[in-house]
Amino acid sequence: QVQLVQSGAEVKKPGASVKVSCKASGYIFTKYYIHWVRQAPGQGLEWMGMINAGGGTNYAPKFRGRVTMTVDTSTSTVYMDLSSLRSDDTAIYYCARELPSGCYFDYWGQGTLATVSS
Amino acid sequence: QSALTQPASVSGSPGQSITFSCTGTSSDVGAVNHVSWYQQHPGKAPKLMIYDVSNRPSGVSDRFSASKSGNTASLTISGLQAEDEADYYCNSFTSSSTYVFGTGTKVTVL
Repeated sequence: QVQLVQSGAEVKKPGASVKVSCKASGYIFTKYYIHWVRQAPGQGLEWMGMINAGGGTNYAPKFRGRVTMTVDTSTSTVYMDLSSLRSDDTAIYYCARELPSGCYFDYWGQGTLATVSS
Repeated sequence: QSALTQPASVSGSPGQSITFSCTGTSSDVGAVNHVSWYQQHPGKAPKLMIYDVSNRPSGVSDRFSASKSGNTASLTISGLQAEDEADYYCNSFTSSSTYVFGTGTKVTVL
């Protein structure tokens, strides 16, 4: 069955970086894109960007310059690195799968809580 | 890119039907037929309920239906059940090749 399994919770200080992983299984990894979506406590969903298996990326304007998404096809794993962390980056970060040109997210990871606190 | 506008909350009694909106602009909802809807229960990841405006993935109840007119998309839940109580988010692909979510609607079953 399709699974997206994310890395565990993180606690970081302001100004630091956080790197979250998303390991895919149960499908042909290279045939799908992976997106990242975050959700601050008690708030709504926010799209951050996406990456394809070839490493091509498309980031939301808000995060350009601060987010880097990378892919390791040998392990079917995608990474999301967010730098210059602020307290308002405290959120649950989700990865989600998209069939190219489908424009919807059919499977989601379990989420990773990243807390930014001094 | 501003979030799509959804009502903060909607409620209904078991068995009733409810409909709520998702309003965007001519650069997102009005520009494409790539509008999707997600259900999120507390502490859980979102779940795809509708894609491409009105299509249901396999396994999603036919009590869920959706449509779009101009810059506004709508989701209808028929025969409301206790398990439908959750947060619902719309999402649209945009003319800038990005994605934008709605502000979210909390559905309460009375």
